[in-house]
Amino acid sequence: GQNIDQPTEMTATEGAIVQINCTYQTSGFNGLFWYQQHAGEAPTFLSYNVLDGLEEKGRFSSFLSRSKGYSYLLLKELQMKDSASYLCAPMNTGFQKLVFGTGTRLLVSP
Amino acid sequence: DVKVTQSSRYLVKRTGEKVFLECVQDMDHENMFWYRQDPGLGLRLIYFSYDVKMKEKGDIPEGYSVSREKKERFSLILESASTNQTSMYLCASTQVSMNTEAFFGQGTRLTVV
Repeated sequence: GQNIDQPTEMTATEGAIVQINCTYQTSGFNGLFWYQQHAGEAPTFLSYNVLDGLEEKGRFSSFLSRSKGYSYLLLKELQMKDSASYLCAPMNTGFQKLVFGTGTRLLVSP
Repeated sequence: DVKVTQSSRYLVKRTGEKVFLECVQDMDHENMFWYRQDPGLGLRLIYFSYDVKMKEKGDIPEGYSVSREKKERFSLILESASTNQTSMYLCASTQVSMNTEAFFGQGTRLTVV
């Protein structure tokens, strides 16, 4: 089975940096996804990490430590439109079952 | 433009009715998933399918069944709808390769009265 833990809610101000953590326990780990979901919309893909380290993609970066079962999503230069839920999804091997954490709701204020 | 399409955006059904939620993808993806999303509980996996006629239970399969007769179509069936199945239902699909992102349908908000 899988155990995924994220903070429920975070707040930050426009222009700031925020780090959203995710810890997981899963059998046969094979990479971790981050998705963004705005209220009332479907999730959209942000990043995928399979090796340890930091992957940077514009204002968003994602970090993975396989040995610690830990990942984080780093959002820089926050904008109001970044207010959304951020979902962590470790992928296991086998049937590639895609299971999500409960998500972190980020509220960006002016 | 890749697409996952769910048959209805909003649906209202009565308790005890048999309900079908349909999902079609046009990307020739092998894997398809059904989730429900409720406030505070996140996206919970109901069932997934990795090939035609193949299915695996997710974390909350009770009260649901699925059908995958064709590669592009994955149906979620509520045999006898109950009020606790009122929720947002999301379908997704992925390719088999490990680093492929999932594409989601727009969601079906089901209300059981």
